[in-house]
Amino acid sequence: EPEVTQTPSHQVTQMGQEVILRCVPISNHLYFYWYRQILGQKVEFLVSFYNNEISEKSEIFDDQFSVERPDGSNFTLKIRSTKLEDSAMYFCASSEIGGITEAFFGQGTRLTVV
Amino acid sequence: DAKTTQPPSMDCAEGRAANLPCNHSTISGNEYVYWYRQIHSQGPQYIIHGLKNNETNEMASLIITEDRKSSTLILPHATLRDTAVYYCIVRVNYGGSQGNLIFGKGTKLSVKP
Repeated sequence: EPEVTQTPSHQVTQMGQEVILRCVPISNHLYFYWYRQILGQKVEFLVSFYNNEISEKSEIFDDQFSVERPDGSNFTLKIRSTKLEDSAMYFCASSEIGGITEAFFGQGTRLTVV
Repeated sequence: DAKTTQPPSMDCAEGRAANLPCNHSTISGNEYVYWYRQIHSQGPQYIIHGLKNNETNEMASLIITEDRKSSTLILPHATLRDTAVYYCIVRVNYGGSQGNLIFGKGTKLSVKP
């Protein structure tokens, strides 16, 4: 069964450093998303991406964040200057089309900012 | 904020049906009801969705009341692997919707031997 793949599974970084989280969405999917989940809290929407541009973003997704689809298979989330409060699980998801189809989530990257 | 209300936790005996309720009294006519679950901090997993008719797939059944103000997810024969947090989400399906999901706190279902 096709799946969304995220790397690395766990990343530790120092405060102020840049990090790039990587995702390989399901190959025929066109819509891509990032969500995050701070430990013990709700899953929160960050951004959706379609046709090589951001289609929606939440207020969490400020200027420190950016997304990119650098080639035909990868989808990345960059955090420019990490803060302690960026420590969370970050989930990538993809869907075949928008609307009512289901989103498939990856297993997440645990980001720890020290 | 999430537009749904779910009990924070429920227990179910292994092999029995698990019935997870969800209230969505402010749901509007173009909003769908979705269910996802999250097993121990893994990525959320889609279960089922519906608009107004009852739905069934290989994982579960979804019963939506006639007034659409509440719904019930049914896992017909719960196993230990069904222990997870279950999220009920209402979402508008409008043209060009990008599939953003607003998660609440969900119901933590514990299936016990």
